[in-house]
Order: sequence, then structure tokens, then C-alpha cells
Amino acid sequence: EAGVTQSPTHLIKTRGQQVTLRCSPISGHTSVYWYQQALGLGLQFLLWYDEGEERNRGNFPPRFSGRQFPNYSSELNVNALELEDSALYLCASSSSLITGNYNEQFFGPGTRLTVL
Amino acid sequence: SQQGEEDPQALSIQEGENATMNCSYKTSINNLQWYRQNSGRGLVHLILIRSNEREKHSGRLRVTLDTSKKSSSLLITASRAADTASYFCATYPSGGTSYGKLTFGQGTILTVHP
Repeated sequence: EAGVTQSPTHLIKTRGQQVTLRCSPISGHTSVYWYQQALGLGLQFLLWYDEGEERNRGNFPPRFSGRQFPNYSSELNVNALELEDSALYLCASSSSLITGNYNEQFFGPGTRLTVL
Repeated sequence: SQQGEEDPQALSIQEGENATMNCSYKTSINNLQWYRQNSGRGLVHLILIRSNEREKHSGRLRVTLDTSKKSSSLLITASRAADTASYFCATYPSGGTSYGKLTFGQGTILTVHP
């Protein structure tokens, strides 16, 4: 069974640009989560999607947004990039959380974003 | 802010020794999970313990949970060089505005010397 996949692996952008990161969940998983792991700040919850809707978001500005497609894959968009957006962006998936089952999340390998 | 706090921040041991990492959290939880991360790559799920459980085993891993003290510990027995990684605890809060937010601690860096 394929795990969570993310693309691209690495990305270099300059301040002010926009970036789109992609994630495909494990087959059968409908909940998709995004996390930011910046140096010195640990893993921060960004967004949670299920059934095509944003279900919750962390303490991030609106320039961080995303969507979930009918096949449950997801995109994370970051507009007006800032230097402090440089981080490893991790996507995870789980069986649907909206059913009330707080199960384990399975993580992808991440996308390393560098903002110059 | 991080709900979980791991202790110690770094741990260095010899192969064959046991490694114990601790995690404390602040709010009531649905469950607590432990993850491993190798060299800034993706996280690997190790074990999940629910709030009504006190101890759980998986291979060389033993996790305990004390909800009265809001703390958990991860014990790795007979450690191997391949166990070298960062270990994170993560908690699922019990509903409210934190619904769905798996909250991670800062992690413990474990180094196992051959």
C-alpha cells in the first residue's frame, strides 16, 4: 500500500512569490493535514481538510490556504512568501476524523521550502 | 504554543542500553501519540495510547500514560544505532476549538552510539 506522497521534494522561491505544495493521502483516508516544521519552532498545525472542506486551521495568516479535491488529494498554497516561511512542510492523512475516530496520522516525506 | 513538552531535549546512550523519554501536556486529551523523525524527514508513527489506557507495548517500545499528572513516557529497550532520531509526543485534545489539531512537543533528540 502506497504511503502519503508529497511533491515537490525541494523548492526555492524568493520573497513575495507564491508556492503550491501537493499531497496525496493513503488510499481510503479522507482527512488530510498540513504542518509546518520551521527551525527552532517545532511542528505547527496548519490546516485540516476532510470531505473537501477546511475543518480547522492553526494560527497562521490567511496567505496560507489550501484545498482538498474530490479524490482527497490536497494542495497547500502560500502567497506573498516571507523569509520565515522557510521550513519543511509535512502532509499527513488519516481515516476520517469527522466520524470522531482520533486515529494515528501517517506522514509524507515533506517538502523543503527555502525562501531567499 | 506547543502543548507537549519532552524531556530530556537530548539523550546520548550506548547500543544495548534503554532510552526513556518523557512528555508532559497541559489540557485533557483524547489520545497521545509518539512519532520518530530521522534527519528532518517525514514522521513515522510509533504508538498511540488512548486516554483510558495506562500502558501499551509495541516490540521494543513501551509507553505509559498518567492522565492525572498529564504525562507520558516512551521507553525504548535494547537500543540500536538505527534508533538514532528525534522523538516527538503529540496529543489530540478533547474537542473544542482544538478539534483535529494534533499538537506536537519540541522533541527529544536520541543518539545511540554503536
